[in-house]
Amino acid sequence: GENVEQHPSTLSVQEGDSAVIKCTYSDSASNYFPWYKQELGKRPQLIIDIRSNVGEKKDQRIAVTLNKTAKHFSLHITETQPEDSAVYFCAASPRINMNRDDKIIFGKGTRLHILP
Amino acid sequence: EAQVTQNPRYLITVTGKKLTVTCSQNMNHEYMSWYRQDPGLGLRQIYYSMNVEVTDKGDVPEGYKVSRKEKRNFPLILESPSPNQTSLYFCASLQGETQYFGPGTRLLVL
Repeated sequence: GENVEQHPSTLSVQEGDSAVIKCTYSDSASNYFPWYKQELGKRPQLIIDIRSNVGEKKDQRIAVTLNKTAKHFSLHITETQPEDSAVYFCAASPRINMNRDDKIIFGKGTRLHILP
Repeated sequence: EAQVTQNPRYLITVTGKKLTVTCSQNMNHEYMSWYRQDPGLGLRQIYYSMNVEVTDKGDVPEGYKVSRKEKRNFPLILESPSPNQTSLYFCASLQGETQYFGPGTRLLVL
């Protein structure tokens, strides 16, 4: 089955700097890769996702890159702000259409601290 | 308002006492799922359901049961809870590829 590794487990960056979180996956059939942000005491919320037919996707200060050959994908946050402090989870799924018999596997999470 | 709700939000129980955590969504989603979240282990899928009367095991199904008798509800059942099931539980429903998580249920089994 699918296995998703996420690094680092903790990341501290100065406000205004960039943060990068990396994930690798094992199942070459995975073709959908979402990222979730979980603020303290809150539920996870989708912030960005990427499909296997795309190498990069950007949404304001957040971008995700995917290297299917190497089976890794990364989250990039630029110009970090205090409200970016949270736990971030990557995930991988083997189907674009989740109306099939498929699980979604999460990484273990990265706790991001934005330092003033 | 589109939402996923869970009840109870907090629960303290004792080993062996059966409990049910309810999950309900009002978005007519077919796919629903239960996760547990533990420090250092991230989110792990317990069970999922692709539609009414269709359920499948996730990665950590042992000690749990689910049912999907109607589209909007997906209860999680712990027949005989044990301390290692102390965790934060999230229900989620799926539209397209986007999962909508419930607010979470914090369970303590003594």
